[in-house]
Amino acid sequence: EDQVTQSPEALRLQEGESSSLNCSYTVSGLRGLFWYRQDPGKGPEFLFTLYSAGEEKEKERLKATLTKKESFLHITAPKPEDSATYLCAVQGNYGQNFVFGPGTRLSVLP
Amino acid sequence: GAVVSQHPSRVICKSGTSVKIECRSLDFQATTMFWYRQFPKQSLMLMATSNEGSKATYEQGVEKDKFLINHASLTLSTLTVTSAHPEDSSFYICSAFTPGLGGETQYFGPGTRLLVL
Repeated sequence: EDQVTQSPEALRLQEGESSSLNCSYTVSGLRGLFWYRQDPGKGPEFLFTLYSAGEEKEKERLKATLTKKESFLHITAPKPEDSATYLCAVQGNYGQNFVFGPGTRLSVLP
Repeated sequence: GAVVSQHPSRVICKSGTSVKIECRSLDFQATTMFWYRQFPKQSLMLMATSNEGSKATYEQGVEKDKFLINHASLTLSTLTVTSAHPEDSSFYICSAFTPGLGGETQYFGPGTRLLVL
């Protein structure tokens, strides 16, 4: 059974304090790993798709990396507007469903 | 690109009534749409997968007669909560997916907040 866990559950950072969020997964053949950002009361917003170990993608202050067992979302010099819940999801080779992790609630204090 | 809309964004209804939520992909054709439910401070819970022109596939524990899903076209799927009760109050989110579109990801709607009195 495909599974996704995320850590930490919640993270508080000072503005400018870089950190990383973790997504650990088990899947029967990885088709893709996805990162989303969700603001309260809104639908998730797509950030990145990663397909194979060693792949990296960047967008502004965010950088996502992937290994065979986990993915990291690195946040460099975060700003208060980066505060949100970050969701990780995987899609296996056998099926079209995505399995979502519980998310990490990030708060960036000014 | 890859915009998904939901309507209504918020609905309040009386217990026993039915509520229909629409999910539209505005600028692409979605072969598959997913319906999720989300409780406060919890992650997304997949309810059903809807493929255009065929019956929806429901996750275990989701009552198909209570949550009616119709995916009549490549740009529209509807979720009808029949005979709603207070325990159905939740945040319902749809997503649209087409293989090969922008990296084969799902694009989510803004969600619908349902409150059943």
